[in-house]
Amino acid sequence: GENVEQHPSTLSVQEGDSAVIKCTYSDSASNYFPWYKQELGKRPQLIIDIRSNVGEKKDQRIAVTLNKTAKHFSLHITETQPEDSAVYFCAAHPGGGGSQGNLIFGKGTKLSVKP
Amino acid sequence: ETGVTQTPRHLVMGMTNKKSLKCEQHLGHNAMYWYKQSAKKPLELMFVYNFKEQTENNSVPSRFSPECPNSSHLFLHLHTLQPEDSALYLCASSQATGSSGNTIYFGEGSWLTVV
Repeated sequence: GENVEQHPSTLSVQEGDSAVIKCTYSDSASNYFPWYKQELGKRPQLIIDIRSNVGEKKDQRIAVTLNKTAKHFSLHITETQPEDSAVYFCAAHPGGGGSQGNLIFGKGTKLSVKP
Repeated sequence: ETGVTQTPRHLVMGMTNKKSLKCEQHLGHNAMYWYKQSAKKPLELMFVYNFKEQTENNSVPSRFSPECPNSSHLFLHLHTLQPEDSALYLCASSQATGSSGNTIYFGEGSWLTVV
């Protein structure tokens, strides 16, 4: 089955700097890759996603890149702000039907943005 | 945002108690999920229901018993739990399992403490 590895587990940056979180996946049939942000004490919320037919997607200060050949995808946050501090989870959708069609999550990255 | 609501938000129970967690989604989705979130395994899938049918039981101990009476409601019945079961239990929903772009929407979670 699908396996998702996420790095780093913790990341500390200075306000205004960029942050990059990387994930790799094992199932070449995976076709959908969302990123979730979970602030302390709150639920995970979708912030951006990318499908396998696209190499890059951007939404204001957030961008995601996908390299299907290497089976890795990354989250890029530019001009970081203290409110970006949270745990970020990547996930991969295996692409199969039925019980195989559930998102597989990485273990999360705790991002701290220092003012 | 009240698409997926969970009650209670906090629960303290003894190891001999029986309690239930409730989840309701107002998004017209057909799939519902229970996740366990703890420090050791950040987002651990427990159960999946698709069109009211259980499609996945991720080797969850029988002291956790799910119930899905309809596509909008999901319960997690708890009995004779162990202290290591203390965690945040997240309910989630999506359009259906097995489809590409299967964005999952999470509830706020139920914080469970077993004493």
